[in-house]
Amino acid sequence: DIVMTQSPDSLPVSLGGRATINCKSSQTVLYSSNNKNYLAWYQQKPGQPPKLLIYEASIRESGVPDRFSGSGSGTDFTLTISSLQAEDVAVYYCQQYYGSPPYTFGQGTKLEIK
Amino acid sequence: QVQLVQSGAEVKKPGSSVKVSCKTSGGTFNNYAISWVRQAPGQGLEWMGGIIPIFGPAEYAQKFQGRVTIIADESTSTAYLELSNLRSEDTAMYYCARGRSGSFGSADYWGQGTLVTVSS
Repeated sequence: DIVMTQSPDSLPVSLGGRATINCKSSQTVLYSSNNKNYLAWYQQKPGQPPKLLIYEASIRESGVPDRFSGSGSGTDFTLTISSLQAEDVAVYYCQQYYGSPPYTFGQGTKLEIK
Repeated sequence: QVQLVQSGAEVKKPGSSVKVSCKTSGGTFNNYAISWVRQAPGQGLEWMGGIIPIFGPAEYAQKFQGRVTIIADESTSTAYLELSNLRSEDTAMYYCARGRSGSFGSADYWGQGTLVTVSS
């Protein structure tokens, strides 16, 4: 199975500040034939299901504010929130969906206000 | 508008089975991948398995092989998750989720979740 490891586990950031969450996969999730990285980012607030933010590593889902961006390729990925808003406090997960199942998630990063 | 509506909370005894439903509306049921993801209290997300109705058999995480069955009823646009031989560690919120463009990942629509509690 592909193991997804996020860092840090917890991230305090000031309002208006920049938040950077990292996600590393134990093997590549880049499909060479189409040059797509099968990596998604989700946001989950308490008592709610996850919400898709980013897919294919860098494509923002419709309706997601442009302060959210995804980058990376192969095995190393980053979710960046350029200017933290109060409503961004949540747990963030990466997920790989490359090849055969299981399509594993990272352990989550809890983003909070400093 | 796409919606996934799950069945209600369940309380089960150890060793029994549970069946959770996920009724979809507002989209083409057969062409999309439906995944089941669970989340134990205070824990992270765990992908259990999924099905693309047009392609047939479900795929499962090895961890759940032999205990989980996922089926899709095209006539009612409903997917089902059945988990057998329940143990206390199966206490969790169970979500169904629809993947974008026939993929099991990048799930853009989620059900509201079904809490399954396993307790003697």
